Amino acid sequence: DAGVTQSPTHLIKTRGQHVTLRCSPISGHKSVSWYQQVLGQGPQFIFQYYEKEERGRGNFPDRFSARQFPNYSSELNVNALLLGDSALYLCASSRFSRETQYFGPGTRLLVL
Amino acid sequence: KNEVEQSPQNLTAQEGEFITINCSYSVGISALHWLQQHPGGGIVSLFMLSSGKKKHGRLIATINIQEKHSSLHITASHPRDSAVYICAVLTGNQFYFGTGTSLTVIP
Repeated sequence: DAGVTQSPTHLIKTRGQHVTLRCSPISGHKSVSWYQQVLGQGPQFIFQYYEKEERGRGNFPDRFSARQFPNYSSELNVNALLLGDSALYLCASSRFSRETQYFGPGTRLLVL
Repeated sequence: KNEVEQSPQNLTAQEGEFITINCSYSVGISALHWLQQHPGGGIVSLFMLSSGKKKHGRLIATINIQEKHSSLHITASHPRDSAVYICAVLTGNQFYFGTGTSLTVIP
């Protein structure tokens, strides 16, 4: 089985732009979570979705939004990008919302 | 104050040494995860614990719910164990992460 996949792998944007990151979970997994990891720090929880509904939200501004599709894939959207949004964005999937998570390789976002 | 604290922040060991990484948390949790992150960013989930002890190969994870403390042990450490080890706790539907312990195992 394929693992969690994310696209794109790398992305460069400028301040004020919008970005969409994509995640495909492991087949059979219904829960997807998004994390932001700034260089040198641990990951920070952004969102968790289960069965297309938001089940958890971290302490991030409304510029961050996400959704989960009927095939359980997910998108993370960030509007009005700031320099501080530069980070590794990680997606993780699990069968249910409180099980072991399997992480994707991440998307490296650089905001200039 | 962080909800999850790890110690030590950095650790250098000789190959073959027994290693312990500690995690303390301040919130009520339903589960605790130990994660391994290699240079380049890839994260692997090592353990998910809600009580007691788990063992996988040379890795052992324990948790004491009353003391809000968990430890990750690596027996017979090897250079390929060099990575950042992150403790994460699940409370409600939110995860809180420690800042990680950077482990370097020298041959």
